[in-house]
Amino acid sequence: DQQVKQNSPSLSVQEGRISILNCDYTNSMFDYFLWYKKYPAEGPTFLISISSIKDKNEDGRFTVFLNKSAKHLSLHIVPSQPGDSAVYFCAAGYQKVTFGTGTKLQVIP
Amino acid sequence: DSGVTQTPKHLITATGQRVTLRCSPRSGDLSVYWYQQSLDQGLQFLIQYYNGEERAKGNILERFSAQQFPDLHSELNLSSLELGDSALYFCASSGDLNTEAFFGQGTRLTVV
Repeated sequence: DQQVKQNSPSLSVQEGRISILNCDYTNSMFDYFLWYKKYPAEGPTFLISISSIKDKNEDGRFTVFLNKSAKHLSLHIVPSQPGDSAVYFCAAGYQKVTFGTGTKLQVIP
Repeated sequence: DSGVTQTPKHLITATGQRVTLRCSPRSGDLSVYWYQQSLDQGLQFLIQYYNGEERAKGNILERFSAQQFPDLHSELNLSSLELGDSALYFCASSGDLNTEAFFGQGTRLTVV
């Protein structure tokens, strides 16, 4: 039972444009959400989070949007840079953290 | 450097064997998580410990077990290994139950 889903396994974006990564969840008990970035041969690194009481959180080029009614969150990266090329995992937490399967982002110079 | 240390980095072993993966959390973090990442798969949650107690359990096989010691380091024991157990095993730690977790570099287990 995949409670956190990232339906796009990959995404290609031109440098300077916006990258939008999407995530859907099914468990309405989740009360906080996170995005992690993972480079090959490294562990995931925390990027940004949002509590269920908010609908938007910004940190520099990264913004996470939460739509609780749709059980959907998204990560916007503006402007995208080649160094952003990585696998992005969304995660949702309630007692434990459940990860999605990841979206591989490629930013083309 | 996340502050989470996992050893060993690589492990090659034969089917049927038993291995122990070790994790030292960030200083002061009480919560330790174990995840498995198989080829082309996402991060599968295995188990979580909080201050020595099992807190949550995911899709952890009965052949696998874990514990968290009084000094807060954790070990994941994998026994009767099968080829399909080959994966990256990540440990993560967090200071509280509802905060971001910091991941180690992972242990790559290859079962031959």
